[in-house]
Amino acid sequence: NAGVTQTPKFQVLKTGQSMTLQCAQDMNHEYMSWYRQDPGMGLRLIHYSVGAGITDQGEVPNGYNVSRSTTEDFPLRLLSAAPSQTSVYFCASWRIPTDEQYFGPGTRLTVT
Amino acid sequence: GDSVTQMEGPVTLSEEAFLTINCTYTATGYPSLFWYVQYPGEGLQLLLKATKADDKGSNKGFEATYRKETTSFHLEKGSVQVSDSAVYFCALSVNNAGNMLTFGGGTRLMVKP
Repeated sequence: NAGVTQTPKFQVLKTGQSMTLQCAQDMNHEYMSWYRQDPGMGLRLIHYSVGAGITDQGEVPNGYNVSRSTTEDFPLRLLSAAPSQTSVYFCASWRIPTDEQYFGPGTRLTVT
Repeated sequence: GDSVTQMEGPVTLSEEAFLTINCTYTATGYPSLFWYVQYPGEGLQLLLKATKADDKGSNKGFEATYRKETTSFHLEKGSVQVSDSAVYFCALSVNNAGNMLTFGGGTRLMVKP
């Protein structure tokens, strides 16, 4: 049981490049989400999904796309990276009505 | 909207000192309250939680009491250890919003031997 896994661990992009951050969970959780963590701002919700085929926007969705074709996977796509997207990205999963969210180890992204 | 405010860090303490990290919240519904901990280089882990007023969450010597009258959920530990050095996040979720978490800004704790 690996829990929530994220790849890559580190990534450097140039402005305008695209990439996909991968997230997978093996706990059969219905809910998954992506957060970004910036100094002094805690974690802010980017997008979330309540099940396969269903996604919705969080607090800071601009510049990011998601899809959920399977229960296990929830990739986050940056179509045209900008320096403002330099951050640490965390994926989480959980099951309703359980409150606890399980977090992946994070991806540190730098956009130059 | 919902929000969480916690004291800014870093908080630097000597080993065996008493710890308090303040957390207050505003919420449109009746929230559940959480403390998450992030050790260096890792993701967040749930430390403790409370789901109704006057509940006390506890784990690993840490405690926090859900105070509805003061909208607070302060984290305390009687005697900190070097291994408690981490970033602590207060958070809330409201059941009718899919249990999405709203986080405070985080407080870095540094414990010196």
